[in-house]
Amino acid sequence: EIVLTQSPDFQSVTPREKVTITCRASQSIGTDLHWYQQKLDQSPKLLIKFASQPFSGVPSRFSGSGSGTDFTLTINGLEAEDAATYYCHQSSSLPVTFGQGTRLEIK
Amino acid sequence: EEQLVESGGDLVKPGGSLSLSCVGSGFIFSNAWMNWVRQAPGKGLEWVGRIKSKVNGETIDYAAPVKGRVSISRDDSKNTVYLQMNSLKPEDTAVYYCATGGFYLDYWGQGTLVAVSS
Repeated sequence: EIVLTQSPDFQSVTPREKVTITCRASQSIGTDLHWYQQKLDQSPKLLIKFASQPFSGVPSRFSGSGSGTDFTLTINGLEAEDAATYYCHQSSSLPVTFGQGTRLEIK
Repeated sequence: EEQLVESGGDLVKPGGSLSLSCVGSGFIFSNAWMNWVRQAPGKGLEWVGRIKSKVNGETIDYAAPVKGRVSISRDDSKNTVYLQMNSLKPEDTAVYYCATGGFYLDYWGQGTLVAVSS
């Protein structure tokens, strides 16, 4: 099973700040890595697919990069509505796995 | 607009059974690979399993913690995917989401709560 490790687990940030969340895979997964945002009491929403491709309707301040084992989700110009938990997810091999999540708090 | 609506969540006793349903609309359901993902209270996301589309053989895959206790099926005439859960354990307590996608999970339902407790 491929283990995804996100860092940090929690981050408190101010609006307009740049935020970087990393996801490290226990083995190479190419670009089969996707990012989701889950706001409190809501279902997850797809942000980025295949490491760097924005999903339809996602604000341009969200971007992704990486390949192999190291991946990054970047939020440029954080907004108050970005308060959420962010998860990475790999579909390279079964079982599908998720990172443990990174909770972003807006100061 | 793509929409998924889960139902069937309930409070059940350990060892009991439960069947969840997920109805899709706004997309060609028969072409979609359908996943079940769960989230225990205050915890992260855990993939439960998936069923591929008929054209992809309706292959079904399960996560190890539930394999042998759950069964996923689909009825494309009803735009519905099912999750049959047996021999439920307290650790199965979670919100269960259905989600479309073969690689990334692009659309998710609102979830249905399954609580396993005596």
